[in-house]
Amino acid sequence: DAKTTQPTSMDCAEGRAANLPCNHSTISGNEYVYWYRQIHSQGPQYIIHGLKNNETNEMASLIITEDRKSSTLILPHATLRDTAVYYCIVKIIQGAQKLVFGQGTRLTINP
Amino acid sequence: GAGVSQSPSNKVTEKGKDVELRCDPISGHTALYWYRQSLGQGLEFLIYFQGNSAPDKSGLPSDRFSAERTGGSVSTLTIQRTQQEDSAVYLCASSHGAGVNIQYFGAGTRLSVL
Repeated sequence: DAKTTQPTSMDCAEGRAANLPCNHSTISGNEYVYWYRQIHSQGPQYIIHGLKNNETNEMASLIITEDRKSSTLILPHATLRDTAVYYCIVKIIQGAQKLVFGQGTRLTINP
Repeated sequence: GAGVSQSPSNKVTEKGKDVELRCDPISGHTALYWYRQSLGQGLEFLIYFQGNSAPDKSGLPSDRFSAERTGGSVSTLTIQRTQQEDSAVYLCASSHGAGVNIQYFGAGTRLSVL
């Protein structure tokens, strides 16, 4: 699976949009970008995934660059409950596959 | 609840003892995964089961670690002769095993080896 690079930590004010970048310059054509987050003392939680088109769901938006070498997870109106470690993971979609977690980005939402 | 259930939530054991950790996946999910997270570390893959296929054991750190999945549902992770470095949160996840294959995680079992 392709390696990803994320900033170690970020801060965002409550109510503002949180934009979390991820670099995946070695991504292959059949690999998707997944985002998970882990709130303190909980198991990881799926957020969103995409291949090459921008995606949006009730939790977040995912913007993938045209060359697919990077992406940005957007939390449009961050709340204190969004404080967590966010993981960007690249993997093929077919079948059961293990997730390879990097160190992620520790996002702190400030009041 | 319809989520992944893990038990116990906390386990304290003495060095050298064996422990068993249990995972109840979401009903209908064919794939089941075990990960662990040591203090201040990232999540590390241990093993996964997919249907009737042979499990992928490539992440098990030593032969003291083993896992079973009975009847395609409940799984047990066994650690024999526990060591202090085994102290970690052990997380279980399950998924449909096909397509998008989103993994849903339990809350984990916190293992402390004294």
